[in-house]
Amino acid sequence: DADVTQTPRNRITKTGKRIMLECSQTKGHDRMYWYRQDPGLGLRLIYYSFDVKDINKGEISDGYSVSRQAQAKFSLSLESAIPNQTALYFCATSDFRGEAFFGQGTRLTVV
Amino acid sequence: AQSVTQLGSHVSVSEGALVLLRCNYSSSVPPYLFWYVQYPNQGLQLLLKYTSAATLVKGINGFEAEFKKSETSFHLTKPSAHMSDAAEYFCAVSDTGRRALTFGSGTRLQVQP
Repeated sequence: DADVTQTPRNRITKTGKRIMLECSQTKGHDRMYWYRQDPGLGLRLIYYSFDVKDINKGEISDGYSVSRQAQAKFSLSLESAIPNQTALYFCATSDFRGEAFFGQGTRLTVV
Repeated sequence: AQSVTQLGSHVSVSEGALVLLRCNYSSSVPPYLFWYVQYPNQGLQLLLKYTSAATLVKGINGFEAEFKKSETSFHLTKPSAHMSDAAEYFCAVSDTGRRALTFGSGTRLQVQP
């Protein structure tokens, strides 16, 4: 089994719809992250969580929300999807030094 | 605040040639530094890491990087490129504080036959 599992892997949704991306990890790490990847922009941090009760906004949190349901689970929601949220989304978990383990990504298309 | 700059969004080398991918960082505290590789349609995987031990770090697939504090650099090298090295490479910085892992914008490596 993968260390970090993201579901779904691909999703097409309509503008205005609410969508949730889910992530679970088996590494036993406290730290979890959601990143967005766009061509030429690298990975930009959306939200991160250092433990279940500690959730922090990243550089591009507008339009997104998260929920840390357990140490192993961290979900990302788009409350009302818009086309410029079309991107590849990655969940990751890390130890305290930042060595991260990534999921396979979710390719989201908003039409 | 911490940040990472990767010089060159695209690098092209011939098979067998030296690979050099540049990374400069800024951090107000001693950093942890990482190189990740992303193959097409895949997630990121760790190539190598610097966590305050030896400044010359060896990673997988023949890659290595040297931490140079005076130059705030962590450049990635490989003596001889292979076709299978074609991928996108990301440099990242973290530290012992409460800052999340921060990535550079990536360098796409192309290997010509």
